[in-house]
Amino acid sequence: QVTLRESGPALVKPTQTLTLTCTFSGFSLSTTGMCVTWIRQPPGKALEWLARIDWDDDTYYSTSLKTRLTISKDTSKNQVVLTMTNMDPADTATYYCARGVGASDYWGQGTLVTVSS
Amino acid sequence: EIVLTQSPGTLSLSPGERATLSCRASQSVRNNYLAWYQQKPGQAPRLLIYGASSRATGIPDRFSGSGSVTDFTLTISRLEPEDFAVYYCQQYGSSPPFTFGPGTKVDIK
Repeated sequence: QVTLRESGPALVKPTQTLTLTCTFSGFSLSTTGMCVTWIRQPPGKALEWLARIDWDDDTYYSTSLKTRLTISKDTSKNQVVLTMTNMDPADTATYYCARGVGASDYWGQGTLVTVSS
Repeated sequence: EIVLTQSPGTLSLSPGERATLSCRASQSVRNNYLAWYQQKPGQAPRLLIYGASSRATGIPDRFSGSGSVTDFTLTISRLEPEDFAVYYCQQYGSSPPFTFGPGTKVDIK
């Protein structure tokens, strides 16, 4: 059974760095072709693709956010970590991690991050 | 970067009716790697269609996807009460970022 769970702070202050962890089970990120993606969704708005890490350590980032994002993995712990620097109130959103060999077939339930002083 | 446009923004239909949702890409989507997701309030998105026309595991056959290159369609043949939701398309074939469309809301007329 494939599951993913996002964890991290619910509240961060402007200019701080956000660190989110995706802990997963039921698959291995060392399997050829496997990848984990981070997606976010501001309240009432559309999905926004953020970053992806592949089984071979290739990483991909949103064009508009790539200077602020870092994605990494710990295969032994079945975890993927996303860091986002210089947080702003506009970054308030539900952050999802998802598994996919291409399209994302399994998603976590999401974690709401609010940016406020 | 590929930009996806979805139309209409909102589709108001009655249960039993047919829904046709459009997703248009600003450039060719390589290998027709286009996915459709359904999202209900308070829930994570659910994968419906991948590769433009392949149904994901457990998805009812009233959902079908079609199209190629830059023009894609999601069709729900007969709307069930549980189908009223927001639908997003996503391209994952061309160079990243693997963008999402802005969504189409299917609501009850």
